[in-house]
Order: sequence, then C-alpha cells, then structure tokens
Amino acid sequence: DTAVSQTPKYLVTQMGNDKSIKCEQNLGHDTMYWYKQDSKKFLKIMFSYNNKELIINETVPNRFSPKSPDKAHLNLHINSLELGDSAVYFCASSHDQGNTEAFFGQGTRLTVV
Amino acid sequence: DAKTTQPNSMESNEEEPVHLPCNHSTISGTDYIHWYRQLPSQGPEYVIHGLTSNVNNRMASLAIAEDRKSSTLILHRATLRDAAVYYCILREGGGADGLTFGKGTHLIIQP
Repeated sequence: DTAVSQTPKYLVTQMGNDKSIKCEQNLGHDTMYWYKQDSKKFLKIMFSYNNKELIINETVPNRFSPKSPDKAHLNLHINSLELGDSAVYFCASSHDQGNTEAFFGQGTRLTVV
Repeated sequence: DAKTTQPNSMESNEEEPVHLPCNHSTISGTDYIHWYRQLPSQGPEYVIHGLTSNVNNRMASLAIAEDRKSSTLILHRATLRDAAVYYCILREGGGADGLTFGKGTHLIIQP
C-alpha cells in the first residue's frame, strides 16, 4: 500500500483550463501539505492543512484552491492554468504539525501548453 | 526561517562512508535539524532529525556540533541507491511552518 498517493502522475493541459490533483494518505495523519517544485528544482510549500483546517497559505495565486473533504484527503484545484504553473506538485503528510517526519507522494508533473 | 548552507555537490565511492556537511550559524535554540533526500524522479524522503544530541537510525547518523552551528549527515556505507539530493532543513520547535527546502547537496556515488 502506498502511504501517500497522488493522481494523476502526469497531467498535460492547455492554458486557461481548470484541473485538479488528488491526494490521499492512509497513515492516519492529521496534517497534509502541498509543495511545488519548479524547473530549477526548488521545493516550496504552498499549503498546509491540519484536521481539515487551513494552517499555512503561502503566497500562492488564488487560482490555486486546496480542498480537504476529510483528514485523509487534500486535493488541489487550479483554475485558469498558466504556462508558469508547469511544475511537479508534491503532496505530503505528517502525524501532526510538530517536528515529525513528513511522508511525500511521488509527485504530479503538470505541463501547461 | 534560519538558513542552511550546503555544498552544491559531492562525490563518493560505493561502499565507503559519506559525510555531508551543513552549516546553520543562525540556528535558534528551538530549531530542529532535519535531513531529507530526493532520489531522481521521486518525492523527498525523510532521513533523520535531531535537536542537540547525535542521532542514529537505520538509514544514517546525524552528528551535531556542540555549538549547533553545523551538522553532518553520515551515510556509513554508500550504495548506488544513495545517489540523491540531500537537504538539510531547520524547523522551528512547533514545526507548524512546514519544511523550507534549500538547494541541497547533489551526492554522486561512483561504482
């Protein structure tokens, strides 16, 4: 069983479209995150949810909207996709907000054309 | 967030120990030192973390300087599978801010 799973693994779409990336964790963790890794390989946190509540919202365009239907899921919806949104998006989870290890998914490579 | 400084890349031979350094001269008393690694085309993977004392686990050892301004990740016997980018990350005691990744060290393992 994969601890943190993301779908899809690859996503190619046109500018202006709306798309969603799904994330599920089966670890029973309270905290989930979305990270973005750009073409220069820098990894940056975008959002953090704890028990379905938004905790961290870094400077991310409001075209990006995370949704957590329950503790095990944190989906990322992106409206009006732009070329600059092309990146690898990683979902992660941790037991809580403290200094515990984070488990990452395999990533979703989004390409906007 | 306190910053870390790591060499851009390091090279080592298979089956030899590897010492990956990290400087964090502005570390605060409540910052934990975390190490993650990212293998090619995969998500980051937790390696180890510590506060003041040296730490050991099945993957690696973490040696923390007495003044805490630097630390060293030790892979005791490198394998080809250890080739990855290794990130040294400081995280505040509460940890609520997530992980702030830097550029990391690209570790190359020669057979």
